[in-house]
Amino acid sequence: DAKTTQPPSMDCAEGRAANLPCNHSTISGNEYVYWYRQIHSQGPQYIIHGLKNNETNEMASLIITEDRKSSTLILPHATLRDTAVYYCIVGFSGGYNKLIFGAGTRLAVHP
Amino acid sequence: NAGVTQTPKFRVLKTGQSMTLLCAQDMNHEYMYWYRQDPGMGLRLIHYSVGEGTTAKGEVPDGYNVSRLKKQNFLLGLESAAPSQTSVYFCASLDTSGANVLTFGAGSRLTVL
Repeated sequence: DAKTTQPPSMDCAEGRAANLPCNHSTISGNEYVYWYRQIHSQGPQYIIHGLKNNETNEMASLIITEDRKSSTLILPHATLRDTAVYYCIVGFSGGYNKLIFGAGTRLAVHP
Repeated sequence: NAGVTQTPKFRVLKTGQSMTLLCAQDMNHEYMYWYRQDPGMGLRLIHYSVGEGTTAKGEVPDGYNVSRLKKQNFLLGLESAAPSQTSVYFCASLDTSGANVLTFGAGSRLTVL
């Protein structure tokens, strides 16, 4: 099972872009990168995922390096409501048995 | 469409007591998971199931048992609760038909005295 490494905490000013890195150097060829976030003590919510190409949706953008050993989640215009713990995990798209979460990155967005 | 529902939301137990947490999903998902989250920590996988009648161990399975008798339900049992099992428990189900996205329940906060 591929593991991920994330910085424990980051700060971002409101309205600026938040760039959250994730290292997944042991990722295998058919494993996707997934991002979730957890606000306060709620259950985590899905944000975005990708395999090789960069992805964008209404919440965020995902940039995956060419060697796929790391990725960056980008929140283009962070708001106070984006303050949360962000988790990066890896898994197969077609069904993955063990889904292991690390400690995540605690993002604090300040005025 | 309720998604993933966990009961109870809160529970206080004495050391040595037993209890069962229920997770129910109405999305016809095959895969279901139980995680625990200690204060200030990330999620740790306890047990998971890839279909009705199947279960498997996760990262921290000791002290817990699970059952998946029906596809929509995944039960987490504590036979003899210990203070170290004080935590917030999250259940999730996995949609494998498309993007492989996890849907989480709201959590069950358990305190063992």
